[in-house]
Amino acid sequence: KAGVTQTPRYLIKTRGQQVTLSCSPISGHRSVSWYQQTPGQGLQFLFEYFSETQRNKGNFPGRFSGRQFSNSRSEMNVSTLELGDSALYLCASSLQLGQMNTEAFFGQGTRLTVV
Amino acid sequence: QKEVEQNSGPLSVPEGAIASLNCTYSDRGSQSFFWYRQYSGKSPELIMSIYSNGDKEDGRFTAQLNKASQYVSLLIRDSQPSDSATYLCAVSGGYQKVTFGTGTKLQVIP
Repeated sequence: KAGVTQTPRYLIKTRGQQVTLSCSPISGHRSVSWYQQTPGQGLQFLFEYFSETQRNKGNFPGRFSGRQFSNSRSEMNVSTLELGDSALYLCASSLQLGQMNTEAFFGQGTRLTVV
Repeated sequence: QKEVEQNSGPLSVPEGAIASLNCTYSDRGSQSFFWYRQYSGKSPELIMSIYSNGDKEDGRFTAQLNKASQYVSLLIRDSQPSDSATYLCAVSGGYQKVTFGTGTKLQVIP
């Protein structure tokens, strides 16, 4: 069974540009969450999508947005990039059972560097 | 108060010893609890999940959950140098987001 796939693995962008990251979840998983990880900051929750709807949202500015497609694949977009957006962006997919979140499995991440 | 709290460490244990990692959480409605391991520069890897009070064992790993005390722990028996990593505790309630602690760095000394 294929795992969570994130593309691209590495990105270098210039301040002010925008970027789109992609995540393909494990087959059958309908929940996709995005996290930002910077040194010393831990995993910061960005948002979660379930069945094409944003179900939960973290405390990030509106420059960070996302969407989910009918096949559960998800994209996140960051507009007007800032130096502080340099981070490892992680996507995780999970299988929702009833009203309980089951285990989330992470992709390899996309390392974004803003120069 | 942080939603999920962990001691950042580092926690140093000799090879072959038991490593004990602890986590407390603030939301009494939490239902799902997870432990992840993250090596430097890599993505988190799921080790254990636990949903009900008590102990759950998987190989050298034992997760312990006490909902009354809002406490979850991970025991690693016969610690190996390859266990040296950051261990993340994660908690979720129903449809709520999964909240991660900042992690405990474990160092296993050969």
